[in-house]
Amino acid sequence: AQSVSQHNHHVILSEAASLELGCNYSYGGTVNLFWYVQYPGQHLQLLLKYFSGDPLVKGIKGFEAEFIKSKFSFNLRKPSVQWSDTAEYFCAVGQPGTYKYIFGTGTRLKVLA
Amino acid sequence: EAGVTQFPSHSVIEKGQTVTLRCDPISGHDNLYWYRRVMGKEIKFLLHFVKESKQDESGMPNNRFLAERTGGTYSTLKVQPAELEDSGVYFCASTTWAPGGNTIYFGEGSWLTVV
Repeated sequence: AQSVSQHNHHVILSEAASLELGCNYSYGGTVNLFWYVQYPGQHLQLLLKYFSGDPLVKGIKGFEAEFIKSKFSFNLRKPSVQWSDTAEYFCAVGQPGTYKYIFGTGTRLKVLA
Repeated sequence: EAGVTQFPSHSVIEKGQTVTLRCDPISGHDNLYWYRRVMGKEIKFLLHFVKESKQDESGMPNNRFLAERTGGTYSTLKVQPAELEDSGVYFCASTTWAPGGNTIYFGEGSWLTVV
């Protein structure tokens, strides 16, 4: 069965620190990969997505993610976090042609001012 | 453009009662999805509508859950009778169809607490 693992459940960083959130998935076929963010009191928003092509994907708000097929990973990175990045981050996997996503359990990021 | 809207945003009901959650997708989006997040766990797919038809309801937990999308516009998800384990956040999402993939848009979620 497909699954998505997010290894960090809670992360606390100071402003300007670098961020890397891990995401690994288990699925042997072609996948679409996503990172979503949910700010307090808001809806899930798409940060970035990978369908094909360049494995280094740039998203909104300075976030990027790298798809490493051999490692089944799609880690999220940001060089310098801000207090406003405090949120919960979800990695998700979907098969091309479907929007039936498999989500990870989420990572709560708290950035200290 | 209005986003996906969900109602109610929060609901507290007693075990055994009935709750109906509503989702209004973005106008023109034929595809509508329901997801659920039980506290501390992953967000899980419940079902998928294409217009008024259930395309995939493999994620529905049991027959206490009934989803409808009459007329292919808004959708409702009824839980009857509610159990304690039904507590969580119910997300609705919608999208248009694109062969290579597309972005789906989520609502803010309906928080359900069963006591």
